[in-house]
Amino acid sequence: EDLLVESGGGLVQPGGSLRLSCAASGFTLSGYWMHWVRQAPGKGLVWVSRINSDGSSTTYADSVKGRFTISRDNSKNTLYLQMNSLRDEDTAVYYCLKSGNYRFDSWGQGTLVTVSS
Amino acid sequence: QSALTQPASVSGSPGQSITISCTGTSRDVGAYNYVSWYQQHPGKAPKLMIYEVSKRPSGLSNRFSGSKSGNTASLTISGLQPEDEADYYCNSFTSTNTWVFGGGTKLTVL
Repeated sequence: EDLLVESGGGLVQPGGSLRLSCAASGFTLSGYWMHWVRQAPGKGLVWVSRINSDGSSTTYADSVKGRFTISRDNSKNTLYLQMNSLRDEDTAVYYCLKSGNYRFDSWGQGTLVTVSS
Repeated sequence: QSALTQPASVSGSPGQSITISCTGTSRDVGAYNYVSWYQQHPGKAPKLMIYEVSKRPSGLSNRFSGSKSGNTASLTISGLQPEDEADYYCNSFTSTNTWVFGGGTKLTVL
């Protein structure tokens, strides 16, 4: 069974940085595209970023382009999201997702990022 | 990257059927058969319910079905059960090689 465990969330001041990690088990990370999706408190889901199987191609939502960087280490079965220049509106639960043919097959439980002074 | 449009809420009684719509544009829902639907219970991670417009993951109840016409996709739940009460989100791949979610629909089982 697929298991995705996010970590690295916490409280950070506006303008600060944070790196999220997502440890994958139960499947071989290198075989799948992976995504990050976020959900602000009481709000809906918002797609953030995607990376292909070998890390050679990435795409981002306009709201995070130039500030966030998605990456992966297939040897460690781990996905990352480097978040810089954080803003209040980046406050959300961040989910790591395993993707299969343009759908989101498996979700982690999420990690909460709070941007506040 | 505007969100797809879903009704904020729908409701139905046990045993009834409901349909949730998801309206996009010719650059997302209308352009690809890569529409998926997700169920989210409070405090839980979302769960895939429908993919590629109308396909069900293995083991999922056939009470859940999906369809699409033009720029609008739909999720139908038949034989409503109390455990179906949740938030539902549609999602589509887009022509800019990104993905977009709908705003979400809260389903209440009366």
